[in-house]
Amino acid sequence: QKEVEQDPGPLSVPEGAIVSLNCTYSNSAFQYFMWYRQYSRKGPELLMYTYSSGNKEDGRFTAQVDKSSKYISLFIRDSQPSDSATYLCAMIAGNNRKLIWGLGTSLAVNP
Amino acid sequence: DADVTQTPRNRITKTGKRIMLECSQTKGHDRMYWYRQDPGLGLRLIYYSFDVKDINKGEISDGYSVSRQAQAKFSLSLESAIPNQTALYFCATSDDGTGTDTQYFGPGTRLTVL
Repeated sequence: QKEVEQDPGPLSVPEGAIVSLNCTYSNSAFQYFMWYRQYSRKGPELLMYTYSSGNKEDGRFTAQVDKSSKYISLFIRDSQPSDSATYLCAMIAGNNRKLIWGLGTSLAVNP
Repeated sequence: DADVTQTPRNRITKTGKRIMLECSQTKGHDRMYWYRQDPGLGLRLIYYSFDVKDINKGEISDGYSVSRQAQAKFSLSLESAIPNQTALYFCATSDDGTGTDTQYFGPGTRLTVL
């Protein structure tokens, strides 16, 4: 079993939809939970992060962490065609500082 | 100018050839990484370096070698390329590993081995 599981999709939604992207993990030592966004033909870029449990909101994006269920989510409200990209979750544990990546979910937002 | 640059951006080569991919950064970061990305397999770490004198193998280092020529430069070599090394290769940098250890990626090199 991989430390981080992420459904690769692809996910296709109409413009304006609410999008939910998710990852599950097995290592309870993870403390920081990140979402990176990767546009076609580009490298990944950090979108947002959450430390430990809870929610974090940034504009149309909300990141949630449920440590009891070992489950993290990224919600995109009022999705736009410009949100079409691959979204990768990544996690890091405080002890070894090694970043663990999910496979990434491909999202297409259709006008 | 981009903070993390990779050369070449695209390369087609033949089985058995030696290939070098180069990475330069102007972010002043000590940590540098080489990843490959394949459909269905995600990002996989090949090698990483926490400073000029520190080189570490990642999860898939077989068939690859690296050189950290300076804080700003980290090169990846394929000594004898094989077709299953066809992939998208990314260089990344990060600061000192505290907190999120945010990684900054280059634009990638698309390598095809025939």
